[in-house]
Amino acid sequence: GNSVTQMEGPVTLSEEAFLTINCTYTATGYPSLFWYVQYPGEGLQLLLKATKADDKGSNKGFEATYRKETTSFHLEKGSVQVSDSAVYFCALEREYGNKLVFGAGTILRVKS
Amino acid sequence: SAVISQKPSRDICQRGTSLTIQCQVDSQVTMMFWYRQQPGQSLTLIATANQGSEATYESGFVIDKFPISRPNLTFSTLTVSNMSPEDSSIYLCSVERPGAYTEAFFGQGTRLTVV
Repeated sequence: GNSVTQMEGPVTLSEEAFLTINCTYTATGYPSLFWYVQYPGEGLQLLLKATKADDKGSNKGFEATYRKETTSFHLEKGSVQVSDSAVYFCALEREYGNKLVFGAGTILRVKS
Repeated sequence: SAVISQKPSRDICQRGTSLTIQCQVDSQVTMMFWYRQQPGQSLTLIATANQGSEATYESGFVIDKFPISRPNLTFSTLTVSNMSPEDSSIYLCSVERPGAYTEAFFGQGTRLTVV
């Protein structure tokens, strides 16, 4: 079946540190992949996406590359800010029409 | 983008009662989705609400427990019936982005606590 595995958190970093949150997936076919972010007290928002192998999604300094060979979609940012503190969810689109399968979520805490 | 309004934003309910959650979208959408986010866990799809037909439920979720209505292309409700403390979760409504099928938008969620 379809599943998403994320690294466990919480991840605690100092401001300007490099961030990696690992995400691997299991799926039939080639799903679209997403990172969603949930800031404190807010709803889930799409951060970035990639729809085919070798695509790189990017937004707000975050990047993730769709790696078919390793079935991975790791989230990276070169220099995190306190405002990046949130819960990050990796997800895949199970089938056409936005049926999403989410990972467990990773809490990121950035200290000033 | 799509703007999604959910009501109520939170509620505390007695066990054995039912709560209906409303989801209003600012544009017409074909499919609406209902998710549950249990404490400390990820989101799990409950069902897909289609206008003009019965909702499609995921494994582990049944219509008697989570009846869904979809009277038009901008509105849906999810009812959590005969609640128990295990139903304490955040319930989220989601829609696909009109005109593009690889982006989902989410409401802010309804935080339900059953006592």
